[in-house]
Amino acid sequence: QVQLQESGPGLVKPSQTLSLTCTVSGGSISSGGYYWSWIRQHPGKGLEWIGYIYYSGSTYYNPSLKSRVTISVDTSKNQFSLKLSSVTAADTAVYYCASLGPELLADYWGQGTLVTVSS
Amino acid sequence: DIQMTQSPSSVSASVGDRVTITCRASQGISSWLAWYQQKPGKAPKLLIYAASSLQSGVPSRFSGSGSGTDFTLTISSLQPEDFATYYCQQANSFPLFGPGTKVDIK
Repeated sequence: QVQLQESGPGLVKPSQTLSLTCTVSGGSISSGGYYWSWIRQHPGKGLEWIGYIYYSGSTYYNPSLKSRVTISVDTSKNQFSLKLSSVTAADTAVYYCASLGPELLADYWGQGTLVTVSS
Repeated sequence: DIQMTQSPSSVSASVGDRVTITCRASQGISSWLAWYQQKPGKAPKLLIYAASSLQSGVPSRFSGSGSGTDFTLTISSLQPEDFATYYCQQANSFPLFGPGTKVDIK
């Protein structure tokens, strides 16, 4: 069974870059067949897809965040990462990583990590 | 861009009740629709995909139907563990979630 675990700072200052890593176990990112995605949830709100990446490096970003988002993959470490630049308080959220099957279904999720943007 | 709506935004129900949640897409998405359940403090869980296919391990009291723009999630007999928020998600293009429907105790 695939397991995902987010890691990274829980507090980021405004205007800085939020950086998170998702470590995948129980399966290989480079085996193909899955996309690897980031999703966030503002406190008490709904779910927002940030973007996703294939092991080859092909990326797909939410148009509303595209100018600030970079998702990358490190197959040697079986990890993928999120960078969100120029953050504001509006980026405070729980960030989830998830595996995305070929039919764009998020079937395995990390537990989520709360990132607070504050000075 | 496709927009997703859900109704109702919240519903109060009792154990044993039949609960139906509706999801509507602003344009046709065939059967590219999934449903997730999220409990407080937890990650969402995939319940149904392709509008009506039950994910492995999901109880049969959950069912989905619809195609095109209108979809429903039905819980035939609500159980205590079903009190949660339910999200639809279109998978026809860049994935997008609906705003959610909270099912709470009456």
